[in-house]
Amino acid sequence: ILNVEQSPQSLHVQEGDSTNFTCSFPSSNFYALHWYRWETAKSPEALFVMTLNGDEKKKGRISATLNTKEGYSYLYIKGSQPEDSATYLCAFMKPGYALNFGKGTSLLVTP
Amino acid sequence: DVKVTQSSRYLVKRTGEKVFLECVQDMDHENMFWYRQDPGLGLRLIYFSYDVKMKEKGDIPEGYSVSREKKERFSLILESASTNQTSMYLCASSFGREDTEAFFGQGTRLTVV
Repeated sequence: ILNVEQSPQSLHVQEGDSTNFTCSFPSSNFYALHWYRWETAKSPEALFVMTLNGDEKKKGRISATLNTKEGYSYLYIKGSQPEDSATYLCAFMKPGYALNFGKGTSLLVTP
Repeated sequence: DVKVTQSSRYLVKRTGEKVFLECVQDMDHENMFWYRQDPGLGLRLIYFSYDVKMKEKGDIPEGYSVSREKKERFSLILESASTNQTSMYLCASSFGREDTEAFFGQGTRLTVV
């Protein structure tokens, strides 16, 4: 099993705060690194798919970076809003295109 | 609108029953996956399939089997349900490329009593 580690396990911030999460993964045989957002009572939805070392991707207030040589990715949320409350999952793509998920970071943003 | 549809949202089954969880995707994806999600353990891969009639074991295949007779449909089978298979089951699908995302179904909450 290829371990994907995410930290912190949970986070509680105030509206307007900026925050970031970490995902670490095996640095050998890298295919891709995915970030998903999973809101309660919904299906996980992709935020980013990152394939190249040094990749930086942005979607609105959310951005992500990738370092494949050292095996980590950061997800940043600028100016958190209550609607950002969700579990954020990082997944490392294995040969055969299966995704190996971390346990997620649960974010709660309160007004 | 792309879709991955799981046949049931909630299921209650008895210990020892044979249970079928069905998943259908309408995106012509090559790959399909079954995960289970348990508190504190995250999403764990049970089985995946990269083509019709092809299957690969994931990290926790024991007690499960799968069937993929058509490209759009991937079934998870619990041969003899046990209480430790009570869980949330998620189906997903994707193209067979590293630069594309996976799409998930809405999940099936299975309770084995």
